Amino acid sequence: NAGVTQTPKFRVLKTGQSMTLLCAQDMNHEYMYWYRQDPGMGLRLIHYSVGEGTTAKGEVPDGYNVSRLKKQNFLLGLESAAPSQTSVYFCASNQPGTGDSPLHFGNGTRLTVT
Amino acid sequence: AQSVTQLDSQVPVFEEAPVELRCNYSSSVSVYLFWYVQYPNQGLQLLLKYLSGSTLVKGINGFEAEFNKSQTSFHLRKPSVHISDTAEYFCAVLLNQAGTALIFGKGTTLSVSS
Repeated sequence: NAGVTQTPKFRVLKTGQSMTLLCAQDMNHEYMYWYRQDPGMGLRLIHYSVGEGTTAKGEVPDGYNVSRLKKQNFLLGLESAAPSQTSVYFCASNQPGTGDSPLHFGNGTRLTVT
Repeated sequence: AQSVTQLDSQVPVFEEAPVELRCNYSSSVSVYLFWYVQYPNQGLQLLLKYLSGSTLVKGINGFEAEFNKSQTSFHLRKPSVHISDTAEYFCAVLLNQAGTALIFGKGTTLSVSS
């Protein structure tokens, strides 16, 4: 059981380049999330999805787009990368309901924008 | 609005000493509270959670936390730490309703030395 899988694990981009981060989960979870983690800032929510075909903005959505075309996949896109987007990106998933459903995290994607 | 404040960014301790990592939250409604742990180069794992009932909750690896509604706190404790407990710890809050993403604190780095 793979859980939450993120690809790629590492990436270096030049300013202005674009890329897509892929998150895949095999737990049939309805909800999926993209967070970024920066030193001293904790995890900040970028976008999330409460089901296939739906997305919503989180705390820091600017500069990112997302898509949830299939229930098991949640894509995070950077159309024109900026150095401020250098970060570690984490995908997570869980089931909706009473809160008794912990987030399952991937191992992260380390992105450097030069 | 809800927020989470972790009062210490770094906590250095010696092996076998007790430790407390402090977390305060602000919310006008009832909440669910969580502690997550992140080991180096990994995603986050759930340590423990408070949903309702007993205010003292026990988690994995010998950790426990106490929910204090009057002080709006959810401090994490362990009576005797090991070198392997060295990690970053995140407190998080979820509004008591479905469909709301977790809000994380900025994290506390626990460093255990011999």
